[in-house]
Amino acid sequence: GDSVTQMEGPVTLSEEAFLTINCTYTATGYPSLFWYVQYPGEGLQLLLKATKADDKGSNKGFEATYRKETTSFHLEKGSVQVSDSAVYFCALNNFNKFYFGSGTKLNVKP
Amino acid sequence: GAVVSQHPSWVICKSGTSVKIECRSLDFQATTMFWYRQFPKQSLMLMATSNEGSKATYEQGVEKDKFLINHASLTLSTLTVTSAHPEDSSFYICSAPIMGDPSRNEQFFGPGTRLTVL
Repeated sequence: GDSVTQMEGPVTLSEEAFLTINCTYTATGYPSLFWYVQYPGEGLQLLLKATKADDKGSNKGFEATYRKETTSFHLEKGSVQVSDSAVYFCALNNFNKFYFGSGTKLNVKP
Repeated sequence: GAVVSQHPSWVICKSGTSVKIECRSLDFQATTMFWYRQFPKQSLMLMATSNEGSKATYEQGVEKDKFLINHASLTLSTLTVTSAHPEDSSFYICSAPIMGDPSRNEQFFGPGTRLTVL
């Protein structure tokens, strides 16, 4: 069945460091791919998305490219801030169903 | 942006009782809503799809008689955990896409409901 695998956390970085959170997926057909962020005490918020191969989603300095050949959708940011500390979920939507990765907690230290 | 609310945000109940959780889309209509549960430090697992005007569809392994879903209107879906037991303690989250093509639209998530069964 469809599934999403993302790197385990927590990931701890200093402010202004480069961030990569790996995400790979297994799916039949042509899923849409998403990154959601969950700040402490809040619900999930869409960070970015890509709906077809080679699309690049971007928002708030975060980027991810839909790579069909490697079935990946890695999240990157060139310079993280303390305010980016949160849990990040990679997800796919296939045939109207969402499948989530296990989440990666990011801690950014000043 | 689109807002989804849940009520209550947390609930504590005794084993054997039933608990109802509401999910509302506040500024848009949703013919479909989704219910997830999230265990500590784990991912969201889809439990069921709530369909306005028809029966919910449940994921494999989810007991439909235990987790009753009613999609009463285009803005409200309810999840009732019947005869709750401690193993039902979890974080329950709902989501809804704006009416249209849910396979391409983003999902809007509620803030979640923390259920603790004593």
